[in-house]
Amino acid sequence: GDSVTQMEGPVTLSEEAFLTINCTYTATGYPSLFWYVQYPGEGLQLLLKATKADDKGSNKGFEATYRKETTSFHLEKGSVQVSDSAVYFCALSEGGSEKLVFGKGTKLTVNP
Amino acid sequence: NAGVTQTPKFRVLKTGQSMTLLCAQDMNHEYMYWYRQDPGMGLRLIHYSVGEGTTAKGEVPDGYNVSRLKKQNFLLGLESAAPSQTSVYFCASSRWTGTYEQYFGPGTRLTVT
Repeated sequence: GDSVTQMEGPVTLSEEAFLTINCTYTATGYPSLFWYVQYPGEGLQLLLKATKADDKGSNKGFEATYRKETTSFHLEKGSVQVSDSAVYFCALSEGGSEKLVFGKGTKLTVNP
Repeated sequence: NAGVTQTPKFRVLKTGQSMTLLCAQDMNHEYMYWYRQDPGMGLRLIHYSVGEGTTAKGEVPDGYNVSRLKKQNFLLGLESAAPSQTSVYFCASSRWTGTYEQYFGPGTRLTVT
Protein backbone atom coordinates (compact mmCIF):
# COMPACT_ATOMS: atom_id res chain seq x y z
CA GLY A 1 0.00 0.00 0.00
CA ASP A 2 0.88 3.66 -0.10
CA SER A 3 3.34 4.93 2.48
CA VAL A 4 5.36 7.98 3.46
CA THR A 5 8.76 7.91 5.13
CA GLN A 6 10.19 10.96 6.83
CA MET A 7 13.58 11.53 8.37
CA GLU A 8 13.49 10.81 12.06
CA GLY A 9 13.83 13.67 14.46
CA PRO A 10 14.14 15.52 16.51
CA VAL A 11 15.97 18.16 14.52
CA THR A 12 17.57 21.03 16.41
CA LEU A 13 18.90 24.08 14.58
CA SER A 14 20.08 27.56 15.40
CA GLU A 15 18.16 30.56 14.12
CA GLU A 16 18.98 31.43 10.47
CA ALA A 17 20.26 27.93 9.71
CA PHE A 18 19.23 26.03 6.57
CA LEU A 19 16.55 23.39 7.00
CA THR A 20 15.96 20.18 5.09
CA ILE A 21 13.47 17.54 6.16
CA ASN A 22 13.53 14.50 3.90
CA CYS A 23 10.37 12.80 2.73
CA THR A 24 10.05 9.85 0.36
CA TYR A 25 6.92 8.05 -0.67
CA THR A 26 5.64 4.81 -2.13
CA ALA A 27 2.55 4.93 -4.30
CA THR A 28 1.14 2.96 -7.20
CA GLY A 29 -0.04 5.96 -9.21
CA TYR A 30 0.48 9.71 -9.26
CA PRO A 31 -0.25 11.06 -5.80
CA SER A 32 -0.68 14.61 -4.60
CA LEU A 33 1.89 15.50 -1.94
CA PHE A 34 1.52 17.71 1.10
CA TRP A 35 3.45 19.16 4.01
CA TYR A 36 1.47 19.91 7.16
CA VAL A 37 2.78 21.74 10.24
CA GLN A 38 1.62 21.29 13.84
CA TYR A 39 2.55 24.04 16.28
CA PRO A 40 2.62 23.13 19.99
CA GLY A 41 -0.84 22.46 21.36
CA GLU A 42 -2.58 22.96 18.01
CA GLY A 43 -4.03 20.93 15.16
CA LEU A 44 -2.33 20.41 11.82
CA GLN A 45 -2.26 23.19 9.21
CA LEU A 46 -1.53 22.76 5.52
CA LEU A 47 1.87 24.32 4.80
CA LEU A 48 2.24 23.57 1.07
CA LYS A 49 1.29 21.07 -1.59
CA ALA A 50 2.17 19.82 -5.08
CA THR A 51 -0.10 17.86 -7.36
CA LYS A 52 2.14 16.70 -10.20
CA ALA A 53 5.75 15.91 -10.99
CA ASP A 54 8.18 18.85 -10.95
CA ASP A 55 5.64 21.10 -9.21
CA LYS A 56 7.12 23.25 -6.46
CA GLY A 57 4.97 24.12 -3.49
CA SER A 58 5.93 27.14 -1.39
CA ASN A 59 4.62 29.05 1.60
CA LYS A 60 6.10 31.14 4.43
CA GLY A 61 9.62 30.69 3.05
CA PHE A 62 9.29 26.90 2.91
CA GLU A 63 9.60 25.03 -0.39
CA ALA A 64 9.28 21.45 -1.60
CA THR A 65 9.57 20.03 -5.11
CA TYR A 66 7.70 16.93 -6.30
CA ARG A 67 10.42 14.61 -7.66
CA LYS A 68 8.84 11.61 -9.37
CA GLU A 69 12.17 10.06 -10.37
CA THR A 70 13.33 9.87 -6.75
CA THR A 71 9.79 9.62 -5.24
CA SER A 72 10.67 12.48 -2.90
CA PHE A 73 9.18 15.71 -1.58
CA HIS A 74 11.83 17.20 0.69
CA LEU A 75 10.97 20.30 2.72
CA GLU A 76 13.48 23.17 2.72
CA LYS A 77 13.82 26.62 4.20
CA GLY A 78 16.80 28.88 3.75
CA SER A 79 16.76 30.59 7.15
CA VAL A 80 14.69 29.20 10.00
CA GLN A 81 13.25 31.24 12.83
CA VAL A 82 12.38 30.32 16.42
CA SER A 83 8.72 30.56 15.40
CA ASP A 84 9.24 27.64 12.96
CA SER A 85 9.61 25.25 15.90
CA ALA A 86 6.89 22.67 15.29
CA VAL A 87 6.24 19.13 14.10
CA TYR A 88 6.22 18.72 10.31
CA PHE A 89 4.26 15.97 8.57
CA CYS A 90 4.64 14.81 4.99
CA ALA A 91 1.51 13.25 3.47
CA LEU A 92 0.16 11.91 0.21
CA SER A 93 -3.21 11.45 -1.42
CA GLU A 94 -3.33 8.74 -4.06
CA GLY A 95 -5.21 9.28 -7.31
CA GLY A 96 -7.89 11.69 -6.15
CA SER A 97 -8.54 9.78 -2.94
CA GLU A 98 -10.22 11.71 -0.15
CA LYS A 99 -7.86 10.06 2.35
CA LEU A 100 -4.35 11.16 3.32
CA VAL A 101 -1.47 8.90 4.26
CA PHE A 102 0.84 10.61 6.76
CA GLY A 103 4.46 10.15 7.68
CA LYS A 104 5.29 9.90 11.37
CA GLY A 105 6.30 13.53 11.69
CA THR A 106 9.59 15.33 12.35
CA LYS A 107 9.95 17.60 15.34
CA LEU A 108 11.94 20.76 14.66
CA THR A 109 13.32 22.96 17.43
CA VAL A 110 14.97 26.25 16.51
CA ASN A 111 17.11 27.91 19.18
CA PRO A 112 17.83 31.66 19.29
CA ASN B 1 -15.92 31.39 10.36
CA ALA B 2 -14.73 29.06 13.13
CA GLY B 3 -13.45 26.30 10.80
CA VAL B 4 -13.29 22.95 12.59
CA THR B 5 -14.09 22.84 16.29
CA GLN B 6 -13.86 19.93 18.73
CA THR B 7 -15.56 19.34 22.06
CA PRO B 8 -14.25 18.69 24.69
CA LYS B 9 -10.60 19.78 24.70
CA PHE B 10 -9.59 17.44 27.54
CA ARG B 11 -11.20 14.43 29.17
CA VAL B 12 -10.22 11.78 31.68
CA LEU B 13 -12.14 8.49 31.68
CA LYS B 14 -11.98 5.36 33.75
CA THR B 15 -11.66 2.03 31.99
CA GLY B 16 -15.04 0.85 30.80
CA GLN B 17 -16.68 4.27 30.70
CA SER B 18 -18.17 5.65 27.51
CA MET B 19 -18.01 9.05 25.91
CA THR B 20 -18.67 10.93 22.68
CA LEU B 21 -16.38 13.43 21.02
CA LEU B 22 -18.05 16.08 18.90
CA CYS B 23 -16.61 17.63 15.77
CA ALA B 24 -18.28 20.52 13.97
CA GLN B 25 -17.32 22.36 10.79
CA ASP B 26 -18.84 25.47 9.24
CA MET B 27 -17.18 25.23 5.81
CA ASN B 28 -19.89 23.09 4.19
CA HIS B 29 -17.36 20.32 3.57
CA GLU B 30 -18.60 16.94 2.38
CA TYR B 31 -15.82 14.87 3.90
CA MET B 32 -14.96 14.50 7.58
CA TYR B 33 -12.38 12.38 9.39
CA TRP B 34 -11.33 11.23 12.83
CA TYR B 35 -7.64 10.56 13.56
CA ARG B 36 -5.68 9.59 16.62
CA GLN B 37 -2.14 10.84 17.24
CA ASP B 38 0.25 8.83 19.36
CA PRO B 39 3.96 9.47 19.98
CA GLY B 40 6.11 8.05 17.19
CA MET B 41 3.06 6.87 15.24
CA GLY B 42 2.01 9.98 13.34
CA LEU B 43 -1.69 10.29 12.57
CA ARG B 44 -3.81 7.22 12.04
CA LEU B 45 -7.27 7.34 10.49
CA ILE B 46 -10.01 5.89 12.68
CA HIS B 47 -13.19 6.48 10.65
CA TYR B 48 -14.25 8.89 7.97
CA SER B 49 -17.38 10.08 6.20
CA VAL B 50 -17.94 11.05 2.57
CA GLY B 51 -21.28 12.68 3.24
CA GLU B 52 -24.23 13.02 5.55
CA GLY B 53 -25.48 9.64 6.70
CA THR B 54 -22.42 7.71 5.46
CA THR B 55 -19.38 6.46 7.36
CA ALA B 56 -16.46 4.16 6.60
CA LYS B 57 -13.68 2.46 8.52
CA GLY B 58 -10.15 3.75 8.46
CA GLU B 59 -6.89 2.18 9.55
CA VAL B 60 -7.68 1.67 13.27
CA PRO B 61 -11.48 1.50 13.73
CA ASP B 62 -11.74 -1.11 16.50
CA GLY B 63 -13.27 0.16 19.73
CA TYR B 64 -14.78 3.25 18.09
CA ASN B 65 -18.09 4.12 16.45
CA VAL B 66 -19.09 7.19 14.49
CA SER B 67 -22.18 8.94 13.24
CA ARG B 68 -22.81 11.72 10.72
CA LEU B 69 -26.45 12.67 11.12
CA LYS B 70 -25.87 16.26 10.00
CA LYS B 71 -23.44 17.44 7.34
CA GLN B 72 -21.66 19.78 9.72
CA ASN B 73 -21.19 17.32 12.59
CA PHE B 74 -19.18 14.12 12.98
CA LEU B 75 -19.35 12.24 16.29
CA LEU B 76 -16.79 9.75 17.59
CA GLY B 77 -17.94 7.35 20.29
CA LEU B 78 -16.05 5.12 22.68
CA GLU B 79 -18.46 2.55 24.10
CA SER B 80 -16.09 0.99 26.64
CA ALA B 81 -12.88 2.96 27.02
CA ALA B 82 -9.55 1.16 27.40
CA PRO B 83 -6.13 2.54 28.43
CA SER B 84 -4.93 1.84 24.86
CA GLN B 85 -7.31 4.57 23.71
CA THR B 86 -5.36 7.22 25.59
CA SER B 87 -4.40 9.57 22.78
CA VAL B 88 -4.95 12.93 21.17
CA TYR B 89 -7.88 12.85 18.78
CA PHE B 90 -8.13 15.14 15.78
CA CYS B 91 -11.07 15.80 13.55
CA ALA B 92 -10.65 17.11 10.02
CA SER B 93 -12.84 18.08 7.09
CA SER B 94 -12.25 18.55 3.38
CA ARG B 95 -13.78 19.14 -0.02
CA TRP B 96 -12.53 18.70 -3.56
CA THR B 97 -10.48 21.65 -4.82
CA GLY B 98 -8.33 19.71 -7.22
CA THR B 99 -7.07 17.82 -4.19
CA TYR B 100 -8.67 17.04 -0.84
CA GLU B 101 -6.95 19.55 1.46
CA GLN B 102 -7.86 18.65 4.99
CA TYR B 103 -8.59 21.26 7.65
CA PHE B 104 -7.97 20.15 11.22
CA GLY B 105 -9.53 20.93 14.56
CA PRO B 106 -7.47 21.74 17.67
CA GLY B 107 -7.66 18.24 19.12
CA THR B 108 -9.05 16.46 22.18
CA ARG B 109 -6.64 14.99 24.69
CA LEU B 110 -8.17 11.83 26.18
CA THR B 111 -6.69 9.91 29.08
CA VAL B 112 -8.13 6.54 30.09
CA THR B 113 -7.03 5.30 33.53
